[in-house]
Amino acid sequence: AQSVTQLGSHVSVSEGALVLLRCNYSSSVPPYLFWYVQYPNQGLQLLLKYTTGATLVKGINGFEAEFKKSETSFHLTKPSAHMSDAAEYFCAVSLGSGNTPLVFGKGTRLSVIA
Amino acid sequence: NAGVTQTPKFRILKIGQSMTLQCTQDMNHNYMYWYRQDPGMGLKLIYYSVGAGITDKGEVPNGYNVSRSTTEDFPLRLELAAPSQTSVYFCASSSQGGAGETQYFGPGTRLLVL
Repeated sequence: AQSVTQLGSHVSVSEGALVLLRCNYSSSVPPYLFWYVQYPNQGLQLLLKYTTGATLVKGINGFEAEFKKSETSFHLTKPSAHMSDAAEYFCAVSLGSGNTPLVFGKGTRLSVIA
Repeated sequence: NAGVTQTPKFRILKIGQSMTLQCTQDMNHNYMYWYRQDPGMGLKLIYYSVGAGITDKGEVPNGYNVSRSTTEDFPLRLELAAPSQTSVYFCASSSQGGAGETQYFGPGTRLLVL
């Protein structure tokens, strides 16, 4: 069965600094990978996803993630943090065909310090 | 286009009471999902539906029931509320059930069982 590990339940960065949120997955077949963001008291919204093709995926709000099969990783980055990026970020994996449920990581809370 | 809507936003239940969490989507999506979110635990799938009249269990279905009589609505029923069901509940939908499909989330219902 697939699983997702997010390293660090809480990450704190200064405004303007690099954001790096780590996600590793386990899967016996090529996965589909997602990053969702949850702002306070809101539902989740999709930041970006990898299905097939280019391994560097660009998402909304300047975020991007790179699928590295050899490292079983899908880390999320943003060159320069903004105060509005403070939120909880979830990595998720799905694989196979048909109605394959998403499996979510436990989440990483990002704080941005002025 | 409201997307996925959920009611109520917040509810306090006494142990043993029952309630229904409502979920409606206006995107004509076939697939709908119910998740619960507990602090530090990510999201766990409770039930899902692949179309009107068809539902299936997710990872944590015990204590819950669902029905899907229309494409738009997917209510979640708690029959005998227990403190362990204190959580935030999210409904989501997707147009298809394939592994790479984006799920769209509602704003959530916060439930407290005392």
